[in-house]
This record gives sequence, structure tokens and C-alpha cells, in this order.
Amino acid sequence: NAGVTQTPKFQVLKTGQSMTLQCAQDMNHEYMSWYRQDPGMGLRLIHYSVGAGITDQGEVPNGYNVSRSTTEDFPLRLLSAAPSQTSVYFCASSYSGRDTQYFGPGTRLTVL
Amino acid sequence: AQKVTQAQTEISVVEKEDVTLDCVYETRDTTYYLFWYKQPPSGELVFLIRRNSFDEQNEISGRYSWNFQKSTSSFNFTITASQVVDSAVYFCALSERIPKEYGNKLVFGAGTILRVKS
Repeated sequence: NAGVTQTPKFQVLKTGQSMTLQCAQDMNHEYMSWYRQDPGMGLRLIHYSVGAGITDQGEVPNGYNVSRSTTEDFPLRLLSAAPSQTSVYFCASSYSGRDTQYFGPGTRLTVL
Repeated sequence: AQKVTQAQTEISVVEKEDVTLDCVYETRDTTYYLFWYKQPPSGELVFLIRRNSFDEQNEISGRYSWNFQKSTSSFNFTITASQVVDSAVYFCALSERIPKEYGNKLVFGAGTILRVKS
């Protein structure tokens, strides 16, 4: 099993550009989520999904969109990048909401 | 709102010393889960332990041990005989119920940077 994979590993954007961060898992997990990590703030939940077709907002959803058309994939879209979105983004998955979440390797995003 | 506090921003120890990382949490849930994750310099998040609120037994795994005390809302993590490879950021996290769906989210503490010097 590859576990949770994320692409790209690094990305630099200009303000106003859009892009999609990819996340995939091969563990047949129903629950997937996106977090951002900023210095001194731990990780904060952006969006989550409890299954294909079901998504909801987390703690810091503004400026991000998600969709979940398959169990395996959970892409995160930045609509119009802003410097405040410079961060490290982690995708995670688990069997259910109460189970241990396993994290992907992260995407380091810089918005100039 | 649920909250996790890791009061120690950074700890430096010399190899072979024991070190304890503190974690204090707040929750109104009667059933909840606590986690510790390790983030080494390479950046990935590595799961260490999951503990549910009904299991107050201490856990030991090799050089790692965890002390869960509901009375003080603490879930502390001790590394015995620390090694340079233990240098990392350690996060404590609390699962929070999401009433609308059968999901949860992890509420993370700010993390403790552990530096182990040889």
C-alpha cells in the first residue's frame, strides 16, 4: 500500500493564481481531511469528507474548495491564491471519524 | 470549544536524559480520543499513540510511555534515555465530535520542539 499520497511536494504561486493540491489513499478509508500547518499553531482543519459525495467545512475553509467523487481521491482547490495561504498542507485519512488519521507527506505552498 | 495546550514550546536535553512532554486538554465530550504525533525534520507526521477516554491505563512502548490522567485532563508523553533521532516536533491532539456527520476532527496543540544533543 502506498498509504496517503500528495502531489505536488512543493509549489510556488503568484497571488491570484488557482491550483489544485492532489490527495489520494489506497486504504479504502471513508474519512479524509485537509489540514494546514503554520508555525506555532499546530495543524488546523480546512475541509473534511466522511465519504464519497459528502464534504463539509472545518475550522479555516475560506479560500478553499473540495469535492469527493471517489473514495480514493480528495483534491483541495485554491480558488485565488493569497499570501496568507502560504503554508504546509497535509491530507489525512482514516476508516471512520473516530479512528486514527494517517497523514500524507505534505505539500509546501508559497504564494508570492 | 475543545482545546489542547502544549505549554513547552521547546525542550533541549542531552542524549540519554529522560524527557517528558506535557499535554493538557479541554473537552465537554464524555467520549473522546487523544493522540500523539511525531514530526521529524523530514516533515512527515508519524502516528505514535491513540488513547480513548475510558482507558486510563498507562502505555509503554519501548522507550516511550504515556500517562493519561482524566482527573487533571492531561496526557503526558515521556521518552526514556533520549536519542538524537528523537529530535522532532511532537504534537498532542484531541478528537472532537462533528455532530452533523459521523466524523471527527483533530484539534492539535501547537507542538513541542524536542532537541536531543549528543
